[in-house]
Amino acid sequence: DQQVKQNSPSLSVQEGRISILNCDYTNSMFDYFLWYKKYPAEGPTFLISISSIKDKNEDGRFTVFLNKSAKHLSLHIVPSQPGDSAVYFCAASALGSGTYKYIFGTGTRLKVLA
Amino acid sequence: GAGVSQSPRYKVAKRGQDVALRCDPISGHVSLFWYQQALGQGPEFLTYFQNEAQLDKSGLPSDRFFAERPEGSVSTLKIQRTQQEDSAVYLCASSFMNTEAFFGQGTRLTVV
Repeated sequence: DQQVKQNSPSLSVQEGRISILNCDYTNSMFDYFLWYKKYPAEGPTFLISISSIKDKNEDGRFTVFLNKSAKHLSLHIVPSQPGDSAVYFCAASALGSGTYKYIFGTGTRLKVLA
Repeated sequence: GAGVSQSPRYKVAKRGQDVALRCDPISGHVSLFWYQQALGQGPEFLTYFQNEAQLDKSGLPSDRFFAERPEGSVSTLKIQRTQQEDSAVYLCASSFMNTEAFFGQGTRLTVV
């Protein structure tokens, strides 16, 4: 049972436009969410996180939105740059339950076209 | 150290061979995680340490997998009698308590 789902395996966006990556989850105990970016042959790199007490967190070009009632989060990248081309993973954990492990989605490959 | 360091980067093992994968976490990081990533998939949780205590090993796929962190710093993931289905990238991550985890570059294990 996939508790964290990224239903779009790939996404292509023109440079300068907005990239929107989506993630859905099923476990209502999840209270901490993260986005990671991964380049080939490298480990995932932390991008941005959000706690369930918030519905938005912004860091530069990256904004994460959380809709708890829909069990949905999204990552917005504005403006998109060619260097943003990578695989993006969302992850969730249930820190309030004392569970520190992250459950990852299967990833979305973003390609930013110059 | 500057980041999480894993060694070796690549390992080819013959089926049935034992392997040991090493992780050097970021200095001062209390939490350490091991994940397994198959091709085209997201990382799958294997085990979690808080200092030297292994608090969660629910993701270890079989009793052939064993992890330790005896002094609360460096960790080793050992796989005994490797099988082809063990072929994957093994990722180590560390964090300071409940903050975001930082990943190493991974060890790509190929069992032939």
